[in-house]
Amino acid sequence: EVQLLESGGGLVQPGGSLRLSCAASGFTFSRYAMSWVRQAPGKGLEWVSAISNSGTGTYYADSMKGRFTISRDNSENTLHLQMNSLRAEDTAVYFCARDPYSNSWYDYWGQGTLVTVSS
Amino acid sequence: IVLTQSPGTLSLPPGERATLSCRASQSVSSSYLAWYQQKPGQAPRLLIYDASNRAAGIPDRFSGSGSGTDFTLTINRLEPEDFAVYYCQQYGSSPETFGQGTKVEIK
Repeated sequence: EVQLLESGGGLVQPGGSLRLSCAASGFTFSRYAMSWVRQAPGKGLEWVSAISNSGTGTYYADSMKGRFTISRDNSENTLHLQMNSLRAEDTAVYFCARDPYSNSWYDYWGQGTLVTVSS
Repeated sequence: IVLTQSPGTLSLPPGERATLSCRASQSVSSSYLAWYQQKPGQAPRLLIYDASNRAAGIPDRFSGSGSGTDFTLTINRLEPEDFAVYYCQQYGSSPETFGQGTKVEIK
């Protein structure tokens, strides 16, 4: 059974940093591209960042470039999102999601981890 | 590409047919469009990919159609578990984008 389990969310002050993790199981992690998608409270879905299966290709939404860094450890089946210079508008539930064909749809999602940026 | 979903809210009784629209600001390459269902407190669930292909385990009352800039998700014979928010997503152009969602509620 495919499982994605996010962790690392919490309350952080504006300008602070947070590192999210997504532990994957039930599939060969190194074969799949992965993404982070977020959802602000009561709002819709917003793509944040993506990474190729090998980790050599990384992609970001414009508003996250230079602040967020996506990475993966295929030996540990784990996806990460390092978030720096956080702003109030980054407050959201962050989901990790599996991309079965790279630059395609998302067939599996984690349950999400809440990030709250507030003083 | 901006995706505009309509209506914002659809109120229907169980057993009826729901028709949800997703309109793109420019043509979606190769009909690279997906539909997701999301219930409160849950992650999105993939329903349809490549505009018209049902994902594994999705009941056949869900169907997708369309091409270019106009796409439709149809839910035949609404079941109680179908009342949720539905999002479209295009992945044909970078950056991928989502629509703002359509809420299907019980009338």
